[in-house]
Amino acid sequence: QVQLVQSGAEVKKPGASVKVSCKTSGYTFTGYYMHWVRQAPGQGLEWMGWINPESGGTNYAQKFQDRVTMTRDTSISTAYMEVTRLRSDDTAVYYCARDLELRFLGGWFDPWGQGTLVTVSS
Amino acid sequence: SSELTQDPAVSVALGQTVRITCQGDSLRTYYASWYQQKPGQAPVLVIYDKNNRPSGIPDRFSGSSSGDTASLTITGAQAEDEADYYCNSRDSSGNHLVFGGGTKLTVL
Repeated sequence: QVQLVQSGAEVKKPGASVKVSCKTSGYTFTGYYMHWVRQAPGQGLEWMGWINPESGGTNYAQKFQDRVTMTRDTSISTAYMEVTRLRSDDTAVYYCARDLELRFLGGWFDPWGQGTLVTVSS
Repeated sequence: SSELTQDPAVSVALGQTVRITCQGDSLRTYYASWYQQKPGQAPVLVIYDKNNRPSGIPDRFSGSSSGDTASLTITGAQAEDEADYYCNSRDSSGNHLVFGGGTKLTVL
């Protein structure tokens, strides 16, 4: 079955960077866009952007344009999301979520990874 | 602020029907998808595109759209449907995706 397994929780200081991984299995990694979504404590979902694992092309939400980088390693079917210059309001659970559609940006997310809690604190 | 607007909270009596709405200009052009999230869990897709359900989602969940408003309807709400529900669609530019603020559904 399709599985997305994310890396473990992180604690970072303000100004540092964090890189979250999303290891996939059970499907052709390069066939489906991968999205990243975050959720601050007690808050709603926020779409951060997507990566096309086949081409490496990316598209980021406006507010993350200058601090977020999404990459992938096709040899190990893993997607990555790095946030730089962390602030306290970046404290959130970060999810990877596969697009539902094969070779097409449907914009529907299924399945999701289990989430990675990133805590930014001095 | 989100380009998609949802009511913060809705309640429904057990076994009754409830509609959760999502409003935004982009919904005149693009369909919404809907996600269910229970405490401490990752979201789950329940409706996508015009009115499609992923496998495993009960048929009491359905979606519809009219003008700038998309709706998720639960016909015969069950106790296990108590959760937060989020709509999602393209933004007004069509280039990015955006979530609504979420609706907390209470089943009485």
